[in-house]
Amino acid sequence: DGGITQSPKYLFRKEGQNVTLSCEQNLNHDAMYWYRQDPGQGLRLIYYSQIVNDFQKGDIAEGYSVSREKKESFPLTVTSAQKNPTAFYLCASSIDVRQRTGELFFGEGSRLTVL
Amino acid sequence: KQEVTQIPAALSVPEGENLVLNCSFTDSAIYNLQWFRQDPGKGLTSLLLIQSSQREQTSGRLNASLDKSSGRSTLYIAASQPGDSATYLCAVTNTGNQFYFGTGTSLTVIP
Repeated sequence: DGGITQSPKYLFRKEGQNVTLSCEQNLNHDAMYWYRQDPGQGLRLIYYSQIVNDFQKGDIAEGYSVSREKKESFPLTVTSAQKNPTAFYLCASSIDVRQRTGELFFGEGSRLTVL
Repeated sequence: KQEVTQIPAALSVPEGENLVLNCSFTDSAIYNLQWFRQDPGKGLTSLLLIQSSQREQTSGRLNASLDKSSGRSTLYIAASQPGDSATYLCAVTNTGNQFYFGTGTSLTVIP
C-alpha cells in the first residue's frame, strides 16, 4: 500500500545524544515535511524539502538537521543542540509543489523522549 | 503570516447529533484548505480537501465548506457516532506551498 512510514514509533534519548528519525514515502511525492507537535501548540514546521538535494528551514529549525538524498526519504536528526526535544514528530508529503494544490499526507509519527 | 484559529478547543455531544466545527484564517489568498482527523498518539488522517475555487466538499457524513472572502471554513458532521471522537484540525496552504495549521478541536461523542 502507498503511504508514509516513520520509524521508530518510540525513541528514548539521553541528554547530549543525537538521534535520527526515519521517514520514507512511496507516494512519488516531490515535497516532504517535518513537523513537531506539542500539547496545546499545534503543528510547527521544522524543515521542508521540495526537491531532492534541496531543503528549507521552517519556523523551528534550530537544533535539527535533515537530508534529502533520495526522493522517497527525508530523515530528521535531532541534535544535542535542541534544548527541549521531547515531542511528537510528524513527517508529511505532498504532490508536485508547482501545482500548489497538493493534498498533504502524514505518517504515524515518532514520539521522542529525553531521559 | 497566516494564522489559523479553531473554536471551540473542545466539544462534547451526545451520539446522533449533527455538529459543526469552525476554522478561520487571516489571509484569504489561499490555494486550498484541508481538514484532518487525529486520534491520540497517531498521525493526521486527511478527511477533505477544498481547492480555493471550490465552495464545499463532501465525503459520507462529512461536509466541508469554504468561504475565502470571510476567511472561514466549517466541517459539518452528520449523525455523530462515538467513533468520530478525535481531534479535528484544519490547515491552509499559501503561495509558498507551506501549510498553516489550527490547534484543533477535540471532539467527544458520548454514547
